[in-house]
Amino acid sequence: RKEVEQDPGPFNVPEGATVAFNCTYSNSASQSFFWYRQDCRKEPKLLMSVYSSGNEDGRFTAQLNRASQYISLLIRDSKLSDSATYLCVVETTNFNKFYFGSGTKLNVKP
Amino acid sequence: DAGVTQSPTHLIKTRGQQVTLRCSPKSGHDTVSWYQQALGQGPQFIFQYYEEEERQRGNFPDRFSGHQFPNYSSELNVNALLLGDSALYLCASSLMAGQFLDTQYFGPGTRLTVL
Repeated sequence: RKEVEQDPGPFNVPEGATVAFNCTYSNSASQSFFWYRQDCRKEPKLLMSVYSSGNEDGRFTAQLNRASQYISLLIRDSKLSDSATYLCVVETTNFNKFYFGSGTKLNVKP
Repeated sequence: DAGVTQSPTHLIKTRGQQVTLRCSPKSGHDTVSWYQQALGQGPQFIFQYYEEEERQRGNFPDRFSGHQFPNYSSELNVNALLLGDSALYLCASSLMAGQFLDTQYFGPGTRLTVL
């Protein structure tokens, strides 16, 4: 079983739509969680950390459900510039290893 | 403030050859992690260096080795290249704070093609 699993998509949505991605992780000892964004042929860039209480950054909201071992990312009012691959990342603190999901591709259409 | 830098940006090698990739971490960071990203996949953890030692290793063969220098920069070496080693190699730097590793910042990557 993979450490981190994501729906690869693609999610094709119109501008202004709200879209949500989920990601599940297998190691209950995981301590830190992140969403990274990766544009085509570019390096991953940190979008936001995910906290137990949930957190919001503008149009982006991240949630963590430890009991069910999943994290989510909600994007409101999608922009064309949101088109990218969104990578779910889980850190297992005991080993300081970061595990990446395969990514979910988002296409925002005019 | 310079971010994470990697060299070279692109590299073409043939099977059986050896390659060395380089990474300079973000200013103030002391930990370097290396990842391999195949097309259509997420980055896969290769290993991590801190205080010039390999602290953690992913499921990669011994053909993959590395080094960290006193200035925190790092090298990734791959011997006996295989076609399957073709990928984007990403370096990520971060700061070790006690037992926790702070957020990782990625370099632009080195795209390796093995023919």
